[in-house]
Amino acid sequence: GENVEQHPSTLSVQEGDSAVIKCTYSDSASNYFPWYKQELGKRPQLIIDIRSNVGEKKDQRIAVTLNKTAKHFSLHITETQPEDSAVYFCAQRTPGGYQKVTFGIGTKLQVIP
Amino acid sequence: GAGVSQSPSNKVTEKGKDVELRCDPISGHTALYWYRQSLGQGLEFLIYFQGNSAPDKSGLPSDRFSAERTGGSVSTLTIQRTQQEDSAVYLCASSSTNTIYFGEGSWLTVV
Repeated sequence: GENVEQHPSTLSVQEGDSAVIKCTYSDSASNYFPWYKQELGKRPQLIIDIRSNVGEKKDQRIAVTLNKTAKHFSLHITETQPEDSAVYFCAQRTPGGYQKVTFGIGTKLQVIP
Repeated sequence: GAGVSQSPSNKVTEKGKDVELRCDPISGHTALYWYRQSLGQGLEFLIYFQGNSAPDKSGLPSDRFSAERTGGSVSTLTIQRTQQEDSAVYLCASSSTNTIYFGEGSWLTVV
C-alpha cells in the first residue's frame, strides 16, 4: 500500500537540544523519501530527501536516515533553534510510471527558547 | 511563471454556492496534486494527475468535489453546493521527477 505513518504528532524541545521525527512505510518498493517543512501560514517546502540506495544524508543541522529492512526513515535536527518551529511532513513515493507521493500526518515541532 | 500559481488566493462564498479554484503548475511538470488543509491539520490528499493517465480521485470527499486538468497543464478544482466544512486552504502542487513544489494555496471560507 501507499500508507506512511508519522510520529510523534507534536514535539517540544528546548533550544539547543535535538529533535527526531520517525516515519514508517508499508510498500517495500518505495524508493524516494522527502521531508517538508511548513511554517505557520506558509506553503510546505522541501528541506531534505533521501533515495532508497542511500542510508543517511546530512545537510548542516538536519539529517535523514533510512532503514530499508525495517521500512522506516527519520528526520534528525540537531542544535535546534526557535526558527525550526514548524510542522514537518514526511513522504514516500512508489516507483513506476504513476509515481504518486504520499504524505504523513505531520509533526508540529516547538522549540522553546 | 517560476512557481506553482493558484487563484484566487482568498475566496469567501455563501453556503450552497459553487466555487472554482485554479492551479497553474510549473511548466513541464507532468504530475499535479490537490490537497486540502484545515486549520492546524495535515495535508488531506484530494486528487492526483500524472501525464495522460487516469487521475487518482480516491481522496475526493464527496461527489460535490471534482477536478480536471486541461491539456496536461492548468487544473481546476470545483466544489459544488459548498458547505461550511469545506472551509480550508486548498493547496496545489506539481512535480516533474522527485521534488514536489507547492503553490501558496487558495483560502476558502464558506459563510
